[in-house]
Amino acid sequence: GAGVSQSPSNKVTEKGKDVELRCDPISGHTALYWYRQSLGQGLEFLIYFQGNSAPDKSGLPSDRFSAERTGGSVSTLTIQRTQQEDSAVYLCASRGLASTGELFFGEGSRLTVL
Amino acid sequence: SQQGEEDPQALSIQEGENATMNCSYKTSINNLQWYRQNSGRGLVHLILIRSNEREKHSGRLRVTLDTSKKSSSLLITASRAADTASYFCATDRSGGSNYKLTFGKGTLLTVNP
Repeated sequence: GAGVSQSPSNKVTEKGKDVELRCDPISGHTALYWYRQSLGQGLEFLIYFQGNSAPDKSGLPSDRFSAERTGGSVSTLTIQRTQQEDSAVYLCASRGLASTGELFFGEGSRLTVL
Repeated sequence: SQQGEEDPQALSIQEGENATMNCSYKTSINNLQWYRQNSGRGLVHLILIRSNEREKHSGRLRVTLDTSKKSSSLLITASRAADTASYFCATDRSGGSNYKLTFGKGTLLTVNP
């Protein structure tokens, strides 16, 4: 696609439920990032993919969080047994090999845990 | 931990005035980038300045970098109401192999018509 696409754009769930957030990066971009942004805060790094592998998953807050990427393209961030503190906007970004370092962001998935 | 810290947290100006936002960081960097985020939207890249550069321009944007002080500033000249947004600096640390950007908490700029 022309840009980074994320779905759903909004998700309201009950505490304890699992959620899946999807990111479709720009075609051909090998690097993919997940960030989390809480209300009025900056971006918190979660995980980085190069191709299908995740050399840096240091930002995942707990073992309830996991992510995968298949075919070097679409990525899914899964949050199990959601808690209220998981409420945030989850942003995905991608970067191409020829990039000078610029990240291209999606519009984000706003997660609300009741 | 936050690598970049923007200052001020919020800035309100009149249309036509200049807006200056500052960013400080802690470790050596390869480059520093500025991004803009409109309310409820994703981030959009504005400008990148490398560690061996001191100043860069792009349209109404001017970015400076002082590596001795570990600081950068973003100047928006002749501001417009459409410039209202949050502005974030992001640093790419030296020696990093994964090109991970570390973001600050941002400056909320309001340009009043």
